[in-house]
Amino acid sequence: DAGVIQSPRHEVTEMGQEVTLRCKPISGHDYLFWYRQTMMRGLELLIYFNNNVPIDDSGMPEDRFSAKMPNASFSTLKIQPSEPRDSAVYFCASSSSPRVIAGGSHEQYFGPGTRLTVT
Amino acid sequence: AQKVTQAQTEISVVEKEDVTLDCVYETRDTTYYLFWYKQPPSGELVFLIRRNSFDEQNEISGRYSWNFQKSTSSFNFTITASQVVDSAVYFCALSQNRDDKIIFGKGTRLHILP
Repeated sequence: DAGVIQSPRHEVTEMGQEVTLRCKPISGHDYLFWYRQTMMRGLELLIYFNNNVPIDDSGMPEDRFSAKMPNASFSTLKIQPSEPRDSAVYFCASSSSPRVIAGGSHEQYFGPGTRLTVT
Repeated sequence: AQKVTQAQTEISVVEKEDVTLDCVYETRDTTYYLFWYKQPPSGELVFLIRRNSFDEQNEISGRYSWNFQKSTSSFNFTITASQVVDSAVYFCALSQNRDDKIIFGKGTRLHILP
């Protein structure tokens, strides 16, 4: 079974450019999460989706960030325009329904991350 | 409010020593999950264990063991006979039943010295 797939693994771009990060969740998982990890702030939840619908985007830093999930097997995180302070590792994670129900599984499985450098 | 505290920022031990990583959590819910994740130098986050709030039994998996104590709101992680490959950042995390999100601690960076 393939895990969470993210692309690209590394992205180097100049300030002001648009950046698009991509994620394919584990098949059958109905929750998808986008995180950002930096030394200063640690692991931050940016946004998450349930059944392709954004549920909570309160962690999105500002309007330059947007995320979409057009179908159950694909999500994008876009930064436009990018700034040097956006440099970080961006993780995508997926899980099945988190509720404490029989057979429910709550743990999130993470992709390998995209290391973004904005110069 | 929910919160996870990993007071140990960084730990160094010599190979073959035992080491315990502390995790203290706060939640108002009676139903919740606790997790440990490992982030090795390669960068990926690897799920290690999940416990629910109704199961206080300790868990052992090879050299890894977890001690869940509701009385002290702690979920500590012990590595027995540590190895260099155990060097990583370890995150403790919490999720409440009514919430879809997982709250992560700041992590403990573990160095196993040869």
